[in-house]
Amino acid sequence: GAGVSQSPRYKVTKRGQDVTLRCDPISSHATLYWYQQALGQGPEFLTYFNYEAQPDKSGLPSDRFSAERPEGSISTLTIQRTEQRDSAMYRCASSLDPAGGSAGELFFGEGSRLTVL
Amino acid sequence: AQSVTQLGSHVSVSEGALVLLRCNYSSSVPPYLFWYVQYPNQGLQLLLKYTTGATLVKGINGFEAEFKKSETSFHLTKPSAHMSDAAEYFCAVSDKGSSNTGKLIFGQGTTLQVKP
Repeated sequence: GAGVSQSPRYKVTKRGQDVTLRCDPISSHATLYWYQQALGQGPEFLTYFNYEAQPDKSGLPSDRFSAERPEGSISTLTIQRTEQRDSAMYRCASSLDPAGGSAGELFFGEGSRLTVL
Repeated sequence: AQSVTQLGSHVSVSEGALVLLRCNYSSSVPPYLFWYVQYPNQGLQLLLKYTTGATLVKGINGFEAEFKKSETSFHLTKPSAHMSDAAEYFCAVSDKGSSNTGKLIFGQGTTLQVKP
């Protein structure tokens, strides 16, 4: 697509429910990143993919968080048994170069705002 | 490990005045540095980046930043603020050269207010 697309833009859920967020990166972009941004803070790294491989999950806060990118394009971020502290903006970004290439620009989507009641 | 500190979570300037947003970084390797801007209800957009070469880099919308290794700084400036510059600005450092994932480590952001 022309840009990074995320859905849903807004999600309100009750504590304990599972939530899945979707990211559709720019076509042919090799690398995809997930970030979590709390109100008033900068984005914090969660995980990234090089095509379908997921070399780094170090930023995922707990085992309730998981992400996948099975065909190297669209990615999903799933949060199981949501808690109020999971409320945040979740941002997806993609980059043309595989991680390890030149310092490519990250292109960000508009984000998915999650509110856990 | 890399880190970024942005001095001042809110900066207010008058239209036409100089904009100066401060960023200091910590990195064990030569850094790649970025400034991103976030307008309301939009994604982050790259303003400018420094990788190698000339230490004064120019970006979009009249912004520029200077990499100063001795001061570990990458401050963002614009000579004359415009109302449309009101937004949140994020400084970031790339981990390329260390863990080499290309991921960005962001500062906490600075909200720029421009007064008429």
